[in-house]
Amino acid sequence: SQQGEEDPQALSIQEGENATMNCSYKTSINNLQWYRQNSGRGLVHLILIRSNEREKHSGRLRVTLDTSKKSSSLLITASRAADTASYFCAAGGGSNYKLTFGKGTLLTVNP
Amino acid sequence: SAVISQKPSRDICQRGTSLTIQCQVDSQVTMMFWYRQQPGQSLTLIATANQGSEATYESGFVIDKFPISRPNLTFSTLTVSNMSPEDSSIYLCSVQGGRIGQETQYFGPGTRLLVL
Repeated sequence: SQQGEEDPQALSIQEGENATMNCSYKTSINNLQWYRQNSGRGLVHLILIRSNEREKHSGRLRVTLDTSKKSSSLLITASRAADTASYFCAAGGGSNYKLTFGKGTLLTVNP
Repeated sequence: SAVISQKPSRDICQRGTSLTIQCQVDSQVTMMFWYRQQPGQSLTLIATANQGSEATYESGFVIDKFPISRPNLTFSTLTVSNMSPEDSSIYLCSVQGGRIGQETQYFGPGTRLLVL
């Protein structure tokens, strides 16, 4: 069964605005990852946050993790049209390195 | 970083036939994963393929329907057998060990399959 549930399912914003996507998961994790997918192609890894971390930054990306609520959020600041894509959270746990993906958020950034 | 290619990139197949998807990596990797992404949906793990051992399938996926080969550390195939329209999906392979570390994955570009 899917670990992650993202909301919103779709988000449309203007260039320059910030985009926030949320993810919830069900069981314990070692890490929580975010991936981006452009137009049904392969996924690209964006950022990983470990279960003992609360916040992490990478360029225009900021991810938070609240293990007590089993939730994470991804913030993209100063969005660009090129950020238009689907964004998925993925729960990582255990020694087998398997990832369980959420349903994803389709982000559209309008120029 | 690993570079992953998949063949074919897309195909249209008739129901009842089988399609074998190839995944080639430019470096040796221990763990490879096969995912299915149904239209408008998220990724679901089909199986984990380690070289030299049988693939490990997730709940709801069986070897007879999705046989997997892993003959060496740079190559794997996934066969979608006796296809039906419900098998229309994007099939992606990935390898362990992204730029961050072993917990992350590199993904191939995917194979878009349409079954008529």
